[in-house]
Amino acid sequence: GQQVMQIPQYQHVQEGEDFTTYCNSSTTLSNIQWYKQRPGGHPVFLIQLVKSGEVKKQKRLTFQFGEAKKNSSLHITATQTTDVGTYFCAGPGNTDKLIFGTGTRLQVFP
Amino acid sequence: DVKVTQSSRYLVKRTGEKVFLECVQDMDHENMFWYRQDPGLGLRLIYFSYDVKMKEKGDIPEGYSVSREKKERFSLILESASTNQTSMYLCASSSDRVAADTQYFGPGTRLTVL
Repeated sequence: GQQVMQIPQYQHVQEGEDFTTYCNSSTTLSNIQWYKQRPGGHPVFLIQLVKSGEVKKQKRLTFQFGEAKKNSSLHITATQTTDVGTYFCAGPGNTDKLIFGTGTRLQVFP
Repeated sequence: DVKVTQSSRYLVKRTGEKVFLECVQDMDHENMFWYRQDPGLGLRLIYFSYDVKMKEKGDIPEGYSVSREKKERFSLILESASTNQTSMYLCASSSDRVAADTQYFGPGTRLTVL
């Protein structure tokens, strides 16, 4: 079945370092969404990318959708302790359901 | 702002009990979803509903059922709880069926089955 994988599963960084998580789908996606889940919290929508090669920025976060619309990345510049959490990508499945990636848990040490 | 609420943040039940998890959304969304979240496994879809009295199985429906009698309310039922159903349960809603619209999540219910 359709799968959405993310790497790495965990990432520990020192505050101020950059961080990147990668999302790969087994099939072409019409769009990709990114969510953030703080420890003890619930997933919260961050952004949606629709176009091939699209790049969007939210302050220190840069989101990219691959040219083939099968992969995506989230890059955080100069991480802060407030960036701690699990980041999920998600894309539409064959039956219009969202397929969530496995998530990348980010830990930031001060 | 969309608000999705779940009936309990924490729940402890015994094996064999019938368990009801309730979810309510206040934005008149058509679609509602139930996921379970386990370490290393991400979010797995249990059931979803595109309309009142309508339900569809997700990826892991075994051991669960659902009920959607009103548009704003979506209930997850564990007919006979088992220890392997100990998990975090997340409810979500979205407004547009096409292209899997943005989902809004409730705070989650952490269920422990003893």
